[in-house]
Amino acid sequence: ILNVEQSPQSLHVQEGDSTNFTCSFPSSNFYALHWYRWETAKSPEALFVMTLNGDEKKKGRISATLNTKEGYSYLYIKGSQPEDSATYLCAFGNNNDMRFGAGTRLTVKP
Amino acid sequence: DTGVSQDPRHKITKRGQNVTFRCDPISEHNRLYWYRQTLGQGPEFLTYFQNEAQLEKSRLLSDRFSAERPKGSFSTLEIQRTEQGDSAMYLCASSLGGYHEQFFGPGTRLTVL
Repeated sequence: ILNVEQSPQSLHVQEGDSTNFTCSFPSSNFYALHWYRWETAKSPEALFVMTLNGDEKKKGRISATLNTKEGYSYLYIKGSQPEDSATYLCAFGNNNDMRFGAGTRLTVKP
Repeated sequence: DTGVSQDPRHKITKRGQNVTFRCDPISEHNRLYWYRQTLGQGPEFLTYFQNEAQLEKSRLLSDRFSAERPKGSFSTLEIQRTEQGDSAMYLCASSLGGYHEQFFGPGTRLTVL
């Protein structure tokens, strides 16, 4: 069973705050860790695909790190903006399967 | 539009009826995934195809559910004898392979009355 846990479940921050979320996953049979952003009424959109222990990826104000040995990944948002409000999903994959966490719902207040 | 498309976008049916959904992936993608998403949850894996071969099925996929990808292009997901608990958003995604990001379609929202 592939259990993917995300925390916190929801987060409310003020515009300009920096924030981070955690994704925990099984540390065995690691294949890939994906982060997706899911806005209401839209389809999930890929942010990062991470495959190597120690990977760090960045896209604008959003970055992510990966620790496959201990089974966690962090997603960071620097200087949050109202348009960052969305659910952030992580997904852990081995060769056969991909499991999504329940997501962290971020609300950025202007 | 060269993204993933799903049809229909919404489906309302009565309990006990059969429904079929279609997914058209991005043309060069050989992997196609089906997920189910209920309120407040992330997508739950149902099944995936590598070309026309169905390689993995979740235990969530009861005998009433069947998926096909006959020519390795579009896929269908059929639910027989629908139950109210089947009401959910059914998402399709495609990718170039297991390492690669998945591109999601808009989903089909099923409501079983």
